[in-house]
Amino acid sequence: DAKTTQPTSMDCAEGRAANLPCNHSTISGNEYVYWYRQIHSQGPQYIIHGLKNNETNEMASLIITEDRKSSTLILPHATLRDTAVYYCIVRVLGSGTYKYIFGTGTRLKVLA
Amino acid sequence: DGGITQSPKYLFRKEGQNVTLSCEQNLNHDAMYWYRQDPGQGLRLIYYSQIVNDFQKGDIAEGYSVSREKKESFPLTVTSAQKNPTAFYLCASSIEGTDSYGYTFGSGTRLTVV
Repeated sequence: DAKTTQPTSMDCAEGRAANLPCNHSTISGNEYVYWYRQIHSQGPQYIIHGLKNNETNEMASLIITEDRKSSTLILPHATLRDTAVYYCIVRVLGSGTYKYIFGTGTRLKVLA
Repeated sequence: DGGITQSPKYLFRKEGQNVTLSCEQNLNHDAMYWYRQDPGQGLRLIYYSQIVNDFQKGDIAEGYSVSREKKESFPLTVTSAQKNPTAFYLCASSIEGTDSYGYTFGSGTRLTVV
Protein backbone atom coordinates (compact mmCIF):
# COMPACT_ATOMS: atom_id res chain seq x y z
CA ASP A 1 0.00 0.00 0.00
CA ALA A 2 3.05 2.23 0.24
CA LYS A 3 3.16 4.98 -2.34
CA THR A 4 6.95 5.11 -2.44
CA THR A 5 9.69 2.80 -3.69
CA GLN A 6 13.21 2.79 -2.23
CA PRO A 7 16.24 0.53 -2.58
CA THR A 8 16.51 -1.98 0.24
CA SER A 9 20.05 -1.07 1.27
CA MET A 10 23.02 1.15 0.44
CA ASP A 11 26.58 1.60 1.64
CA CYS A 12 28.46 4.90 1.83
CA ALA A 13 32.03 5.73 2.83
CA GLU A 14 32.42 7.98 5.84
CA GLY A 15 32.88 11.61 4.80
CA ARG A 16 31.34 11.11 1.39
CA ALA A 17 27.89 12.23 0.30
CA ALA A 18 25.10 9.70 0.69
CA ASN A 19 22.43 9.95 -2.01
CA LEU A 20 19.23 8.07 -1.21
CA PRO A 21 16.69 7.83 -4.04
CA CYS A 22 12.92 7.48 -3.80
CA ASN A 23 10.25 6.99 -6.44
CA HIS A 24 6.77 8.39 -5.80
CA SER A 25 5.23 8.32 -9.26
CA THR A 26 1.59 8.56 -8.03
CA ILE A 27 2.11 11.65 -5.90
CA SER A 28 -0.58 14.31 -6.19
CA GLY A 29 0.14 17.94 -6.93
CA ASN A 30 -0.32 19.23 -3.38
CA GLU A 31 1.31 16.36 -1.48
CA TYR A 32 4.55 16.79 0.37
CA VAL A 33 7.39 14.30 0.40
CA TYR A 34 8.79 13.55 3.87
CA TRP A 35 11.98 11.86 4.91
CA TYR A 36 12.53 10.23 8.28
CA ARG A 37 15.25 8.02 9.64
CA GLN A 38 15.19 5.38 12.32
CA ILE A 39 18.18 4.32 14.30
CA HIS A 40 17.85 0.88 15.80
CA SER A 41 15.16 0.58 18.48
CA GLN A 42 14.32 4.28 18.49
CA GLY A 43 11.39 6.28 17.15
CA PRO A 44 11.74 7.68 13.62
CA GLN A 45 13.33 11.10 13.44
CA TYR A 46 12.15 13.80 11.05
CA ILE A 47 14.80 14.89 8.55
CA ILE A 48 13.26 17.11 5.91
CA HIS A 49 10.21 17.59 3.70
CA GLY A 50 9.40 19.36 0.46
CA LEU A 51 6.72 20.05 -2.10
CA LYS A 52 8.26 21.27 -5.35
CA ASN A 53 11.44 23.16 -4.67
CA ASN A 54 14.69 21.72 -3.44
CA GLU A 55 15.11 22.07 0.30
CA THR A 56 18.10 22.19 2.61
CA ASN A 57 18.45 22.20 6.37
CA GLU A 58 21.19 21.47 8.85
CA MET A 59 20.78 17.71 8.41
CA ALA A 60 20.28 17.16 4.69
CA SER A 61 19.21 18.36 1.27
CA LEU A 62 16.17 17.20 -0.64
CA ILE A 63 16.15 17.27 -4.43
CA ILE A 64 12.74 16.81 -6.08
CA THR A 65 12.51 16.25 -9.82
CA GLU A 66 10.53 18.71 -11.86
CA ASP A 67 7.77 16.17 -12.54
CA ARG A 68 7.77 15.34 -8.79
CA LYS A 69 7.82 11.61 -9.50
CA SER A 70 11.04 11.06 -7.61
CA SER A 71 13.32 12.65 -5.08
CA THR A 72 16.77 12.21 -3.58
CA LEU A 73 17.85 12.77 -0.01
CA ILE A 74 21.45 13.92 0.25
CA LEU A 75 23.52 13.64 3.40
CA PRO A 76 26.49 15.80 2.36
CA HIS A 77 29.19 14.34 4.62
CA ALA A 78 28.02 11.03 6.00
CA THR A 79 29.25 9.96 9.43
CA LEU A 80 29.02 6.63 11.22
CA ARG A 81 26.10 8.07 13.22
CA ASP A 82 24.10 8.36 10.00
CA THR A 83 23.84 4.57 9.81
CA ALA A 84 20.07 4.04 9.98
CA VAL A 85 16.96 3.09 8.02
CA TYR A 86 15.71 6.00 5.92
CA TYR A 87 12.03 6.28 5.03
CA CYS A 88 10.61 8.31 2.17
CA ILE A 89 6.91 8.94 2.74
CA VAL A 90 3.93 10.60 1.13
CA ARG A 91 0.50 10.70 2.66
CA VAL A 92 -2.57 8.62 1.80
CA LEU A 93 -6.14 9.85 2.22
CA GLY A 94 -8.22 7.34 4.14
CA SER A 95 -11.47 7.61 6.13
CA GLY A 96 -11.47 11.36 6.03
CA THR A 97 -7.95 11.97 7.22
CA TYR A 98 -4.46 11.72 5.91
CA LYS A 99 -2.19 8.88 6.95
CA TYR A 100 1.46 8.29 6.31
CA ILE A 101 2.25 4.85 4.98
CA PHE A 102 5.74 3.66 5.81
CA GLY A 103 7.42 1.20 3.46
CA THR A 104 10.46 -0.83 4.49
CA GLY A 105 12.86 2.06 3.76
CA THR A 106 16.53 2.04 2.78
CA ARG A 107 19.05 0.65 5.23
CA LEU A 108 22.07 2.95 4.94
CA LYS A 109 25.36 1.69 6.28
CA VAL A 110 28.17 4.23 6.59
CA LEU A 111 31.55 2.52 6.39
CA ALA A 112 34.68 3.71 8.18
CA ASP B 1 10.41 21.27 25.94
CA GLY B 2 7.46 19.88 24.05
CA GLY B 3 7.47 16.26 23.08
CA ILE B 4 5.75 12.91 23.05
CA THR B 5 6.37 10.38 25.82
CA GLN B 6 5.77 6.65 25.69
CA SER B 7 5.90 4.42 28.71
CA PRO B 8 7.10 1.97 29.68
CA LYS B 9 10.13 1.48 27.43
CA TYR B 10 10.04 -2.30 27.92
CA LEU B 11 6.98 -4.37 28.83
CA PHE B 12 6.56 -8.05 29.46
CA ARG B 13 3.18 -9.74 29.35
CA LYS B 14 1.97 -13.22 30.00
CA GLU B 15 -0.15 -14.86 27.34
CA GLY B 16 -3.85 -14.16 27.83
CA GLN B 17 -3.36 -10.85 29.62
CA ASN B 18 -4.36 -7.42 28.43
CA VAL B 19 -1.76 -4.66 28.66
CA THR B 20 -1.98 -0.90 28.13
CA LEU B 21 0.75 1.23 26.56
CA SER B 22 0.83 4.90 27.45
CA CYS B 23 1.34 7.80 25.03
CA GLU B 24 1.27 11.44 26.18
CA GLN B 25 2.07 14.59 24.20
CA ASN B 26 2.38 18.24 25.22
CA LEU B 27 2.70 19.61 21.69
CA ASN B 28 -0.98 20.60 21.46
CA HIS B 29 -1.25 18.33 18.42
CA ASP B 30 -4.72 17.34 17.25
CA ALA B 31 -3.94 13.97 15.71
CA MET B 32 -2.32 10.94 17.31
CA TYR B 33 -1.32 7.57 15.88
CA TRP B 34 -0.19 4.11 16.93
CA TYR B 35 2.13 2.04 14.78
CA ARG B 36 3.51 -1.45 15.16
CA GLN B 37 6.95 -2.46 13.92
CA ASP B 38 8.23 -6.03 13.57
CA PRO B 39 11.93 -6.86 13.09
CA GLY B 40 13.22 -5.72 9.71
CA GLN B 41 9.85 -4.31 8.73
CA GLY B 42 8.38 -0.87 8.22
CA LEU B 43 5.73 0.67 10.44
CA ARG B 44 2.12 -0.51 10.20
CA LEU B 45 -0.76 1.68 11.36
CA ILE B 46 -2.93 0.28 14.18
CA TYR B 47 -5.25 3.16 15.15
CA TYR B 48 -5.37 6.90 14.74
CA SER B 49 -7.36 9.78 16.20
CA GLN B 50 -8.00 13.20 14.74
CA ILE B 51 -9.84 14.73 17.70
CA VAL B 52 -10.86 13.93 21.24
CA ASN B 53 -13.45 11.15 21.62
CA ASP B 54 -12.96 10.00 18.04
CA PHE B 55 -10.64 7.39 16.52
CA GLN B 56 -10.42 5.16 13.45
CA LYS B 57 -8.99 1.74 12.74
CA GLY B 58 -5.78 1.51 10.80
CA ASP B 59 -4.56 -1.42 8.77
CA ILE B 60 -4.01 -3.89 11.63
CA ALA B 61 -6.53 -2.94 14.36
CA GLU B 62 -7.67 -6.46 15.27
CA GLY B 63 -6.75 -7.35 18.85
CA TYR B 64 -6.13 -3.73 19.85
CA SER B 65 -8.25 -0.99 21.40
CA VAL B 66 -7.70 2.72 22.06
CA SER B 67 -9.34 5.69 23.75
CA ARG B 68 -8.97 9.43 23.31
CA GLU B 69 -10.55 11.09 26.32
CA LYS B 70 -8.01 13.91 26.44
CA LYS B 71 -6.16 15.70 23.66
CA GLU B 72 -2.83 14.91 25.30
CA SER B 73 -3.34 11.18 25.76
CA PHE B 74 -3.88 8.23 23.43
CA PRO B 75 -3.39 4.90 25.28
CA LEU B 76 -3.26 1.61 23.38
CA THR B 77 -4.52 -1.64 24.90
CA VAL B 78 -3.16 -4.87 23.51
CA THR B 79 -5.82 -7.46 24.26
CA SER B 80 -5.59 -11.22 24.59
CA ALA B 81 -7.22 -11.43 21.16
CA GLN B 82 -4.01 -10.19 19.53
CA LYS B 83 -2.38 -13.42 18.36
CA ASN B 84 1.18 -12.19 18.01
CA PRO B 85 1.64 -9.10 20.18
CA THR B 86 5.42 -9.20 20.57
CA ALA B 87 6.62 -6.11 18.67
CA PHE B 88 7.93 -2.56 18.93
CA TYR B 89 5.08 -0.03 19.33
CA LEU B 90 5.42 3.59 18.29
CA CYS B 91 3.14 6.51 19.03
CA ALA B 92 3.14 9.69 16.94
CA SER B 93 1.32 13.00 16.81
CA SER B 94 0.77 15.71 14.23
CA ILE B 95 -1.08 18.93 13.59
CA GLU B 96 -4.29 17.99 11.80
CA GLY B 97 -5.52 19.73 8.72
CA THR B 98 -2.24 20.67 7.14
CA ASP B 99 0.30 18.81 5.10
CA SER B 100 3.16 21.11 5.89
CA TYR B 101 4.07 19.39 9.13
CA GLY B 102 5.11 15.83 9.64
CA TYR B 103 4.92 13.49 12.58
CA THR B 104 6.62 13.66 15.93
CA PHE B 105 7.35 10.18 17.25
CA GLY B 106 7.83 8.85 20.73
CA SER B 107 10.75 6.62 21.60
CA GLY B 108 8.67 3.45 21.52
CA THR B 109 7.62 0.59 23.78
CA ARG B 110 9.00 -2.89 23.22
CA LEU B 111 6.39 -5.47 24.21
CA THR B 112 7.37 -9.08 24.77
CA VAL B 113 4.94 -11.89 25.51
CA VAL B 114 6.41 -14.50 27.82
